[in-house]
Amino acid sequence: SQTIHQWPATLVQPVGSPLSLECTVEGTSNPNLYWYRQAAGRGLQLLFYSVGIGQISSEVPQNLSASRPQDRQFILSSKKLLLSDSGFYLCAWSAPGQQLTEAFFGQGTRLTVV
Amino acid sequence: AQRVTQPEKLLSVFKGAPVELKCNYSYSGSPELFWYVQYSRQRLQLLLRHISRESIKGFTADLNKGETSFHLKKPFAQEEDSAMYYCALTSTYNTDKLIFGTGTRLQVFP
Repeated sequence: SQTIHQWPATLVQPVGSPLSLECTVEGTSNPNLYWYRQAAGRGLQLLFYSVGIGQISSEVPQNLSASRPQDRQFILSSKKLLLSDSGFYLCAWSAPGQQLTEAFFGQGTRLTVV
Repeated sequence: AQRVTQPEKLLSVFKGAPVELKCNYSYSGSPELFWYVQYSRQRLQLLLRHISRESIKGFTADLNKGETSFHLKKPFAQEEDSAMYYCALTSTYNTDKLIFGTGTRLQVFP
């Protein structure tokens, strides 16, 4: 069966520090991968999605970047965190194909920038 | 551009009352629409999708292309329905991109 792992679960980082959140998927090949941010009053905002290794689509211009160094690994990064980067970050995957049927979400990472 | 709007941040009802969570979308093509739910301390998960025309946990949703709406309904709410509900959209042209609304928190009181 397929599983998605996301870590760390919580993170407190000072302003200006770097960030690296990792997400891995097991039990499937060539998944579509997503990074979302869940912020109070703003719902679930799509940040990046990827349909293959090295293929990243950015949805919102911001202080963050994403990379997909391996087929089932998706990394969210920042060189210098801002206070506004605080939020709950969710990774998700879906099966590749012509029609999206369901996205599967990780447990999320609560990031607090202080 | 694709957009999903959920006008209510919070919806509070008593057990046994009908529930309707509103969702409107804007998209010029043919959308695929979904409802996702997040119960307390659980992962966000799919509740239902319009292409399946299914009823899950007593919930149904009908796609109204004329009104560009996909409201989620349940005739008799239960306390265990209390959760965060998100409406989501993808397109038949770009099925890899899944856009969510801002979410509605449903509180069902005993």
